[in-house]
Amino acid sequence: GAVVSQHPSWVICKSGTSVKIECRSLDFQATTMFWYRQFPKQSLMLMATSNEGSKATYEQGVEKDKFLINHASLTLSTLTVTSAHPEDSSFYICSARAIEGFDTFGSGTRLTVV
Amino acid sequence: AQSVTQLGSHVSVSEGALVLLRCNYSSSVPPYLFWYVQYPNQGLQLLLKYTTGATLVKGINGFEAEFKKSETSFHLTKPSAHMSDAAEYFCAVTRGGSNYKLTFGKGTLLTVNP
Repeated sequence: GAVVSQHPSWVICKSGTSVKIECRSLDFQATTMFWYRQFPKQSLMLMATSNEGSKATYEQGVEKDKFLINHASLTLSTLTVTSAHPEDSSFYICSARAIEGFDTFGSGTRLTVV
Repeated sequence: AQSVTQLGSHVSVSEGALVLLRCNYSSSVPPYLFWYVQYPNQGLQLLLKYTTGATLVKGINGFEAEFKKSETSFHLTKPSAHMSDAAEYFCAVTRGGSNYKLTFGKGTLLTVNP
């Protein structure tokens, strides 16, 4: 079946530094990838949609300059949290979709900013 | 616009008992409906989905759900709970199409008591 690898699983960084999270579709080509944020004991909040070779489409209220998304190939999308602050601490999850397919989710990344 | 309401943020059952997790949706067009399961610090795993056709949908791990248009519901059931079913469950809706976005409910935490 479809597999999406997300790394790292967890990361701790200092306030003011940047962190990159990778999302790879291992056995299929993902024309669209999605990035979500999940707060403790809450649902998933869609941050942005990225299509290969295009600029990401951000949801209302999500800072484009804070959360940089790159979808350079059909199997890789990255989310970079720039100048991270403690309020950016969260669980980030990606999903990948093939043409005429349904979404496969990564295992998530726990980001803690200290 | 679409929305999902999951009734009951926490459901507790005994091992071997019936599991019933409720989901009601709102959609102006025929919906696609999904149930996902999330284990702690993990991504989401698809349990089952309804797109078109048979309204009773069977999924993995013995779960099933029935799409009832008249009730705008898509409740998830399992005849006999197992300890390994303890997790967070999310219902999601979308309108379909090539670039659809999933709208998630707030989730229901299922605990299974021995």
